[in-house]
Amino acid sequence: AQSVTQLGSHVSVSEGALVLLRCNYSSSVPPYLFWYVQYPNQGLQLLLKYTSAATLVKGINGFEAEFKKSETSFHLTKPSAHMSDAAEYFCAVSDDAGGTSYGKLTFGQGTILTVHP
Amino acid sequence: DAGVTQSPTHLIKTRGQQVTLRCSPKSGHDTVSWYQQALGQGPQFIFQYYEEEERQRGNFPDRFSGHQFPNYSSELNVNALLLGDSALYLCASSSPYRAGNTIYFGEGSWLTVV
Repeated sequence: AQSVTQLGSHVSVSEGALVLLRCNYSSSVPPYLFWYVQYPNQGLQLLLKYTSAATLVKGINGFEAEFKKSETSFHLTKPSAHMSDAAEYFCAVSDDAGGTSYGKLTFGQGTILTVHP
Repeated sequence: DAGVTQSPTHLIKTRGQQVTLRCSPKSGHDTVSWYQQALGQGPQFIFQYYEEEERQRGNFPDRFSGHQFPNYSSELNVNALLLGDSALYLCASSSPYRAGNTIYFGEGSWLTVV
């Protein structure tokens, strides 16, 4: 069974500071990993995804994440936070197997990012 | 290009009633999944439809059922509503032809059970 653990339900940073949101996963097969962002009262928007190509993945809005198999981690970072980054962020793992995307995502509990002026 | 669209956006139901939520997938997508997101939680997988059949199911009771139509749109039905069914219901669509395909989500349907 797959699982995702997001360390820290709330993270607070100052505008311009580094953003680091932590995600650890458990998977019995090589994982596909995703970060989604959810703004208040909205659906989920994909930030970036890891699909076994480059271990450092760049996404939208200046975010990036690094897949570390030895640490079973996929932490999300952004060098300089902006007020518009305030939202809830979800890490997810997919049980893609055999080259077919079954589209079943297992999500973490989410991390609420607050950005202070 | 329209993304994933869901209706209604908000609804209130009474315990014991039944509800139907609707989803149209992104153009070119033929796989539809449904997720339940309770307040303060991550989304939980309910089930997935492909070629008008339920292909995978999460740990949800039989009160949760669904359907996929020939045009790939889908419905989620919940019978005998409980207070605990109050949540944001998200529809997601994808295409199965490539591993790691991006899964797109709709804005969701907010269900309140009173």
